[in-house]
Amino acid sequence: GDSVTQMEGPVTLSEEAFLTINCTYTATGYPSLFWYVQYPGEGLQLLLKATKADDKGSNKGFEATYRKETTSFHLEKGSVQVSDSAVYFCALSTFSGNQFYFGTGTSLTVIP
Amino acid sequence: EAGVTQSPTHLIKTRGQQATLRCSPISGHTSVYWYQQALGLGLQFLLWYDEGEERNRGNFPPRFSGRQFPNYSSELNVNALELEDSALYLCASSRFGRYEQYFGPGTRLTVT
Repeated sequence: GDSVTQMEGPVTLSEEAFLTINCTYTATGYPSLFWYVQYPGEGLQLLLKATKADDKGSNKGFEATYRKETTSFHLEKGSVQVSDSAVYFCALSTFSGNQFYFGTGTSLTVIP
Repeated sequence: EAGVTQSPTHLIKTRGQQATLRCSPISGHTSVYWYQQALGLGLQFLLWYDEGEERNRGNFPPRFSGRQFPNYSSELNVNALELEDSALYLCASSRFGRYEQYFGPGTRLTVT
């Protein structure tokens, strides 16, 4: 079945460090891929998306490229800030059943 | 454009009671999804409604049920509450099809 495997956390980085959170997926057909972010005490917010192979989603300095050959959608940011501390979820959406599949989430803490 | 709204923000119930959670989707969205996020766990898919009908259901017992009204708002009912039902319940909405989901802030249910 369709699924998302996400890098386990927690991840702790110093401010201005480079961030990578790995995400790989299994899906039939051509899924859309998403990264969501959840700040403490809040719901999930859509961070970025990509709907076809080789698409690059970007927002707030975060980027992720839809790699069909490696079935991956890794999240990257060149220089993290304390305000980026949150839980990040990778997700995929397939048209069959309009089903969303979420990864287990990766907690990021950025220290000054 | 107003986002997804959920009420109440917090709900405290006693074991064995019933809880009712409400969700209003973004205008123009016909699909509503419910997720359970227990402490330390990822998002567990509960229910998906579209055009007033239940389209899909996650691996939860029948005491978790809901409905969608003609205005596309939705209600989640949890009967015979158990302590392990304590969690953040998130509602999301989308247009039907492979579109991203937009989340509300959640309802924190505490069962004592």
